[in-house]
Order: sequence, then C-alpha cells, then structure tokens
Amino acid sequence: ELKVEQNPLFLSMQEGKNYTIYCNYSTTSDRLYWYRQDPGKSLESLFVLLSNGAVKQEGRLMASLDTKARLSTLHITAAVHDLSATYFCAVEETSGTYKYIFGTGTRLKVLA
Amino acid sequence: EAQVTQNPRYLITVTGKKLTVTCSQNMNHEYMSWYRQDPGLGLRQIYYSMNVEVTDKGDVPEGYKVSRKEKRNFPLILESPSPNQTSLYFCASSLSEPRGTEAFFGQGTRLTVV
Repeated sequence: ELKVEQNPLFLSMQEGKNYTIYCNYSTTSDRLYWYRQDPGKSLESLFVLLSNGAVKQEGRLMASLDTKARLSTLHITAAVHDLSATYFCAVEETSGTYKYIFGTGTRLKVLA
Repeated sequence: EAQVTQNPRYLITVTGKKLTVTCSQNMNHEYMSWYRQDPGLGLRQIYYSMNVEVTDKGDVPEGYKVSRKEKRNFPLILESPSPNQTSLYFCASSLSEPRGTEAFFGQGTRLTVV
C-alpha cells in the first residue's frame, strides 16, 4: 500500500531564509506532484515530476525527484511572505491502479 | 476559462438525508476524482474515474457513490450521510493520456452533517 509522508508538518521561517520540505513515499512511482493551497482556497499545481532526477524551478521554489530513494524535495530560496501557504505532495500509483495519494501537507508561514 | 465547478460550495444537512455534490469540468479531461480534506490527514481520494462509465475506488470509498455518465460530469452521492462525513470535498480533473499531467481542482464543498 502506497504511503506518502511529508515533513515538517509546520514550518515557520523568516523572510530571506532557505528551507526544504521533504516528501517520502513507500512504493515505486515516477510520478510526483506538488500543489499549493492558500487558506480557504482550492489547490493549484506547482510542479509535475515524471522521472528520476527530474528538477523543476519556478521563482523561489525548486522541486526534485529521486525515485531510487523514493524522495522528493521542495526547496524554498530566500522566502518571502507571499509563499505562506500549505504545500502538498502527491504520488500517483503506477502499478495497476490510478490512485493518487497525498501527503498530509506542510503548513508554511513566512514571517516578515 | 478552463475550470472545475463544484456545487454547492457549502451544505449543512441532517444524518440520513441523501445528497449529491455535483462536479463539472470544461477541459475535456478523461480523469476525474473526488477527495476529502480533513485536518491533519491531507487529502484522501474517495473515488476516481478514468473515463465515461469507468469508475474505481480510492482510499476512502465507504459511504459514497459516484457515476460517470458524461465526460464532463462526475457527481458524488452520499446515500445516507453521517457526521463522520463532515469534511471539505474537492473534485479534480486531469488528462488520462498522457499520464502524469497536473490536476485541476474545484473550489471545494464544505459539508456539515448534523
């Protein structure tokens, strides 16, 4: 059974600092997604990672995927207040089903 | 505008009273799914559909039904709601082929069962 773990669950950081959110999953998959959710809002797609070693960057966010380690990271560079949100990783099962399993989310608060 | 539309946005109902939450997308996506979001648990997939007339269970299907008679619509049915189904529900859609495309989410339906 596929399980997805994110850590940390909560992250409070100062503006200008760097930090990394980790997403571990338990079975083989090469399809991993990152989403952002603002308070009271829906989810929006940030990154789609589809192969081992995939790296994608958008502004101050960079996501990577290591399928051998079953690990994805979301790195935040020089955080700004606008990045405050909850970030979810999701893994797509690729062995006979088409399920998506989400992590529990990382609630990020960037302090001015 | 490409979008996934859920209705209603908010719903308070009583235990046992059947209800339907509608979901419609205008992007010609094959894959649609329903999730519930609960504090500390992230999003959990209830049901998904690969295409018209093809549906399958996600991780938490108990107490829910779905149907996919048309490509654009994927309603979620609670035949006999119970308080433990109080949650925030999201519908999402994406392409089935190629695999590995981003999902688009509806605005959510906050359901309270008393």
